Amino acid sequence: SQQGEEDPQALSIQEGENATMNCSYKTSINNLQWYRQNSGRGLVHLILIRSNEREKHSGRLRVTLDTSKKSSSLLITASRAADTASYFCATDAPDSNYQLIWGAGTKLIIKP
Amino acid sequence: DTGVSQNPRHKITKRGQNVTFRCDPISEHNRLYWYRQTLGQGPEFLTYFQNEAQLEKSRLLSDRFSAERPKGSFSTLEIQRTEQGDSAMYLCASSTGGGAGSPLHFGNGTRLTVT
Repeated sequence: SQQGEEDPQALSIQEGENATMNCSYKTSINNLQWYRQNSGRGLVHLILIRSNEREKHSGRLRVTLDTSKKSSSLLITASRAADTASYFCATDAPDSNYQLIWGAGTKLIIKP
Repeated sequence: DTGVSQNPRHKITKRGQNVTFRCDPISEHNRLYWYRQTLGQGPEFLTYFQNEAQLEKSRLLSDRFSAERPKGSFSTLEIQRTEQGDSAMYLCASSTGGGAGSPLHFGNGTRLTVT
């Protein structure tokens, strides 16, 4: 079963607006990663946040982690048409050193 | 860094046939993963190699699936006696290490359609 659940399932905004996606998970984690996937392509790593970190930035991306609520959010500021993609969170699996467990993703559409 | 390469990009096969996919990871990456993804879902872990050793395999993985990484470089994933439920995108990823805390570099996948 999938550990992460992204919310919302789909999000459509105007170019230039900010986009916020959320991820909830079930068990304790060591780290959480966010990935982007363009249609028909592989996933691209965006950012990794460790369990002892609360916030991390990378360019127009801001990720927060609240381990008490078992949730994370990904904020994309000043969105661009090229940000149109699906966004996934992934966490380490509770019974594996190697597996990542993924949510079903948020499909983001940026309208020009 | 030429990225992770997967071949073929698309494969259409009839039910009952065997198929084999190839993955060439980033050259200095000793860790290689296979994932499967169906439409509207996140990737599902299949198996993991560290160098040539297959260290982990999903309990959900049927005996019809087998993977190899004979010299610790490229890897192949074979599906025997394909079923329609095997239709999916098969993704390969590699990383330098650090277990589940290392970012994965994905290829563009092989899309399998079983008719």
